[in-house]
Order: sequence, then structure tokens, then C-alpha cells
Amino acid sequence: DAKTTQPTSMDCAEGRAANLPCNHSTISGNEYVYWYRQIHSQGPQYIIHGLKNNETNEMASLIITEDRKSSTLILPHATLRDTAVYYCIAPGGSQGNLIFGKGTKLSVKP
Amino acid sequence: NAGVTQTPKFRVLKTGQSMTLLCAQDMNHEYMYWYRQDPGMGLRLIHYSVGEGTTAKGEVPDGYNVSRLKKQNFLLGLESAAPSQTSVYFCASSYGPSGGGYGYTFGSGTRLTVV
Repeated sequence: DAKTTQPTSMDCAEGRAANLPCNHSTISGNEYVYWYRQIHSQGPQYIIHGLKNNETNEMASLIITEDRKSSTLILPHATLRDTAVYYCIAPGGSQGNLIFGKGTKLSVKP
Repeated sequence: NAGVTQTPKFRVLKTGQSMTLLCAQDMNHEYMYWYRQDPGMGLRLIHYSVGEGTTAKGEVPDGYNVSRLKKQNFLLGLESAAPSQTSVYFCASSYGPSGGGYGYTFGSGTRLTVV
């Protein structure tokens, strides 16, 4: 698995875009980047994943740099319900299981 | 669809007791996983299965056993519970490995306290 580095915590004003960065400088060419979030004590929730191209779905956008060494998760209009711990994961290997770090605690404030 | 269902949701055990946690999924997923999460920490993989009848060890397998007799069920057993196994346990499932571009669906967790 490629090592990922995320800030410990971030704040965002309600209604503004939340941009969560992740460094994965050791990522290999065939390793996906995944983003999950965990709200309070609930089970983690899948948000989005990508390989090389930028991706967008109903929850968020994922911007991956051309060299693939970093990525940014964008929540376009953060709400109070987006307050959660966000995990950036780059699984690898033949099995490629998800290995969770400590993530970024995002606090969305009124 | 129920997704991933874990039972029980809460349990208190005495040291040395045994119990089984049940995970059931109705999405026809091949892969299933058991994680544990301790306060202030990320999830750690205990065991996983790549299909019916298969199991494999994850990061922290000691003290746990698993079985995947049916595709839709993945059981996690504690033979002799210890206070160090007090944790929140999450089950997950996926069509394939995340290394192959498959996302996981998680259950809502089982909160286990060993006294």
C-alpha cells in the first residue's frame, strides 16, 4: 500500500467548498486513490475513487495531480452533516485491502 | 436492500467468555472483511475472505477466528475474550479487491466491551 499523508484536522464554513488534501508520493501507476468518511461512530462511507483522471459524483469531486503524487477531495457546498473524519487510502498489492490511517477530521461550522 | 447487517449491535462479555459476531450482506459480494476500531484510531483489518469457503489473516488476527460457510455471511469468533478486545467491530463487503477499483460497503458496527 502506498503511504498517504493527510492533515490532522481542518475547518470549513457551511456553504463553502471544503478542499481536503492528500499526499501519496509513493503511489504506483496502477494503484487507485480512495476516499471514505466516517461520521461520528458510524461505519465508514465510500465517497469516491480514481486512478488517473479527475472524478466527480453526487457527493464530491476528486482531483488527482498529473504525477499522481497528491490528490484533493472537494465537497462543493459543505453542510454541517459533512462534519466527519475523511480517509484517503491508496491500497496496493495483489489483494489491495483498505488500510486506514487516522484521516482528516473536518469540522463544518455555521 | 439492507446492504451489510451486523448483529448484535452491542454486547458486554466477561473475560474468558466466547461469542460470535455475524455479518450478512445481500449484494452478492465476493469479498468480505472484519475490522476493529479503537478510540481515536483508524480501522485495523482483522481477517478477510475472497469468496465462499476462504479466509485470510489481516493486520491484527490474533485472538480471532472467522468462517465463510455461505457467500452472504462472514462470522467473527472470539474464543476467549480479553479486555484488549474491547472495541467497535465493523464488517464490510465488496465485489472485488479495492486494489482492483472496487469500493467497500460497511455495516454500522458492533460495540463490544469485555470486562
